[in-house]
Amino acid sequence: AQKVTQAQTEISVVEKEDVTLDCVYETRDTTYYLFWYKQPPSGELVFLIRRNSFDEQNEISGRYSWNFQKSTSSFNFTITASQVVDSAVYFCALSEAYRAAGNKLTFGGGTRVLVKP
Amino acid sequence: DVKVTQSSRYLVKRTGEKVFLECVQDMDHENMFWYRQDPGLGLRLIYFSYDVKMKEKGDIPEGYSVSREKKERFSLILESASTNQTSMYLCASSPSRGMNTEAFFGQGTRLTVV
Repeated sequence: AQKVTQAQTEISVVEKEDVTLDCVYETRDTTYYLFWYKQPPSGELVFLIRRNSFDEQNEISGRYSWNFQKSTSSFNFTITASQVVDSAVYFCALSEAYRAAGNKLTFGGGTRVLVKP
Repeated sequence: DVKVTQSSRYLVKRTGEKVFLECVQDMDHENMFWYRQDPGLGLRLIYFSYDVKMKEKGDIPEGYSVSREKKERFSLILESASTNQTSMYLCASSPSRGMNTEAFFGQGTRLTVV
């Protein structure tokens, strides 16, 4: 069975601090995809990034960066120079192939980030 | 833009009522999903559908059923609502292109069963 663990339930930082969110996953699949989603107070999940299991390159998008390490089954997310608008719940997720049609996502428990001015 | 619309943001229902949560997507996606979100537990899959009239149980299907009569609409049904079904319900859709497609989510329905 697949499992995603986000050990940090809540992180509080002051604006401009960096914050790193941990994500550890378990799967027996050799091919899989990892995702990060952001859920602002409005409730709708917003897609941030997708990474496949064969691509271990780190990625940077503006103030966001991701560190994928297959050896430790981790896919960590860092927000650099945090801003108040970054306050949200962040979810890490793992996709599982189903009959080659579509995907089911297994989510971690989420990490609530609170950025104080 | 992909749009997934859930019919209600907030619902209050009584124990024992039959409850319908409706979800519509406008991007012709084959796959649709219903998740339940509870604090500390993340999102858990209740049911999903990969085609019209097709459905599969997710991780926590007990007490729920679904209906997909048209491609764009996926309904979640609580046959007899109970207080432990008080939760946030999220609908999602995705195209049928394998594992590398992200799912698009609705804004959620916060259901309270009293």
